[in-house]
Amino acid sequence: EIVLTQSPATLSLSPGERATLSCRASQSVRSYLAWYQRKPGQAPRLLIYDVSNRATGIPARFSGSGSGTDFTLTISTLEPEDFAVYYCQQRSNWPRTFGQGTKVEIK
Amino acid sequence: QVQLQESGPGLVKPSETLSLTCTVSGGSISRYFWSWIRQPPGKALEWIGYIYYSGSTNYNPSLKSRVTISVDTSKNQFSLDLTSVTAADTAVYYCARDSSCTSGSCYSDYWGQGALVTVSS
Repeated sequence: EIVLTQSPATLSLSPGERATLSCRASQSVRSYLAWYQRKPGQAPRLLIYDVSNRATGIPARFSGSGSGTDFTLTISTLEPEDFAVYYCQQRSNWPRTFGQGTKVEIK
Repeated sequence: QVQLQESGPGLVKPSETLSLTCTVSGGSISRYFWSWIRQPPGKALEWIGYIYYSGSTNYNPSLKSRVTISVDTSKNQFSLDLTSVTAADTAVYYCARDSSCTSGSCYSDYWGQGALVTVSS
């Protein structure tokens, strides 16, 4: 199965700063990569699918890029509600797999 | 707005069966795939399996021998049974609605909040 490696494990930033999260796949996942956000006690939320498409209701400050094995989630200007854990997931190969997550915390 | 809610025991004894139910509200269970996903402490999310509203299923090979997922469309619910559990099955268990499926792999566009299940005597 495909292994997804996310980096860094923790990102310490201040509101208003730019966040750049990385997800690397052990083999090509083509363009079948998604990003999720999870806050404590809340259901995970789909942010981005197929690398760069924002899910319904997701603000424009969230963007995704990449192809093949290297992908990036960018939050252009961090809002207080964006401090959370972010996961990438591939659906190129069965079974779907997830990364370990990147925690974006307040500096 | 579609909402999912997991329910079931929070504590299960080793060797017994873990059983959870997911209730879907705000939308019909029909015409979608529905997944169970779990996250053991300190580990990555792991897809367990999914069921189509018609009843067809697909399971992760790593758990296939111990997993059964079923659906009750009259109640807008689907359920997970995991047999012969050990401490390694301790995890937060999520139910989710799948979309954008290709060759058996999907994204999940709606999730429940998760249910912590601890396996311990």
